[in-house]
Amino acid sequence: DVKVTQSSRYLVKRTGEKVFLECVQDMDHENMFWYRQDPGLGLRLIYFSYDVKMKEKGDIPEGYSVSREKKERFSLILESASTNQTSMYLCASSLGGPNEKLFFGSGTQLSVL
Amino acid sequence: QKEVEQNSGPLSVPEGAIASLNCTYSDRGSQSFFWYRQYSGKSPELIMSIYSNGDKEDGRFTAQLNKASQYVSLLIRDSQPSDSATYLCAVSPGRSGGYNKLIFGAGTRLAVHP
Repeated sequence: DVKVTQSSRYLVKRTGEKVFLECVQDMDHENMFWYRQDPGLGLRLIYFSYDVKMKEKGDIPEGYSVSREKKERFSLILESASTNQTSMYLCASSLGGPNEKLFFGSGTQLSVL
Repeated sequence: QKEVEQNSGPLSVPEGAIASLNCTYSDRGSQSFFWYRQYSGKSPELIMSIYSNGDKEDGRFTAQLNKASQYVSLLIRDSQPSDSATYLCAVSPGRSGGYNKLIFGAGTRLAVHP
């Protein structure tokens, strides 16, 4: 079974802190994604990576950056956390191609105080 | 207008009934359509995918796609209490560039009562 592991289930940070969310997948998937999920808004794509060191902005990239130095690891970085970034963050991975299913990690609930 | 719209629910159905979940999308160039199920406190998991007009059946689940009406639905036959979850409709829009960069609806909460 594909395993997508997110480093923290719950995280509490202060406004202005630099925050790293880590995601690791063990199935050699080309594509990796970061979504955030908020009540009433569903999942929104923050960033997407289709290969090592390759990334594309999603629909809401402002305030975030990403890093993919190795194929299995995709990191989301909040350069200066703000309260409006309090959310559930979900990492996903998939094989390449438009019809491939996404495999999700268990999520990180981030609270920014 | 949201790109993918779903009724938030809750949709309440008795055990054994058919649950009908609906989704509309705005991008006519969309090619791939998915239904994910998300239990409370858990991450989404894929239950159905559909790519061409018509019906696709898998066990108790049937996905229906009508590209002319920009409409996708999910039918769950013989609903069980274990089907109680939020169902997310996801669409791969035309601007995805060949990647599965999905746009998700906000989800419909389904409650199946005994």
